[in-house]
Amino acid sequence: AQSVTQLGSHVSVSEGALVLLRCNYSSSVPPYLFWYVQYPNQGLQLLLKYTSAATLVKGINGFEAEFKKSETSFHLTKPSAHMSDAAEYFCAVSAIVGNEKLTFGTGTRLTIIP
Amino acid sequence: NAGVMQNPRHLVRRRGQEARLRCSPMKGHSHVYWYRQLPEEGLKFMVYLQKENIIDESGMPKERFSAEFPKEGPSILRIQQVVRGDSAAYFCASSPQRTGVNTEAFFGQGTRLTVV
Repeated sequence: AQSVTQLGSHVSVSEGALVLLRCNYSSSVPPYLFWYVQYPNQGLQLLLKYTSAATLVKGINGFEAEFKKSETSFHLTKPSAHMSDAAEYFCAVSAIVGNEKLTFGTGTRLTIIP
Repeated sequence: NAGVMQNPRHLVRRRGQEARLRCSPMKGHSHVYWYRQLPEEGLKFMVYLQKENIIDESGMPKERFSAEFPKEGPSILRIQQVVRGDSAAYFCASSPQRTGVNTEAFFGQGTRLTVV
């Protein structure tokens, strides 16, 4: 079974500051890991995913995440926050086999302070 | 190419009524997934369907819930005799083939069901 824990249901950063959203996973088998973003009144959009290739994964909109097996973490970062980054972010995990079944975290709402 | 379309966006039902949620996948997508998001929780997998077949329904409640994806038309998630605890956001996703390294699922905007 897999699970993810997102630390911090609300995160606020100033425009131009570093964005760091935390995600820790638990999996008994090698996982795939994902970050999704949900803008108000829209569906979830895939930001990036880790599929056991490079441990540093680059996604859309300047986001990236690093898979750290020793820390069971997959934190999402962006060097400089933009106002347009305000949204809800979900970390998710799946098994490599049967990976159509995603298990999501509870989400982190990111607020950007002008 | 329109995205995954879910309707209605908002649905209010009285306890005991039936709720029917529709999901039209993206053009060319034959795989559909339903997820439920209860208040203050993450999305939970419910069911995975491929045209006319249920592939995995391990996340579906055993009673009152059913899903179908007919040869023609949208996928339907049906909830009979709704109760207050069914109030949630229901998300549908679709993909052209089974998701994997090079295939992702695209999500709709969700249907927010409120049971009064």
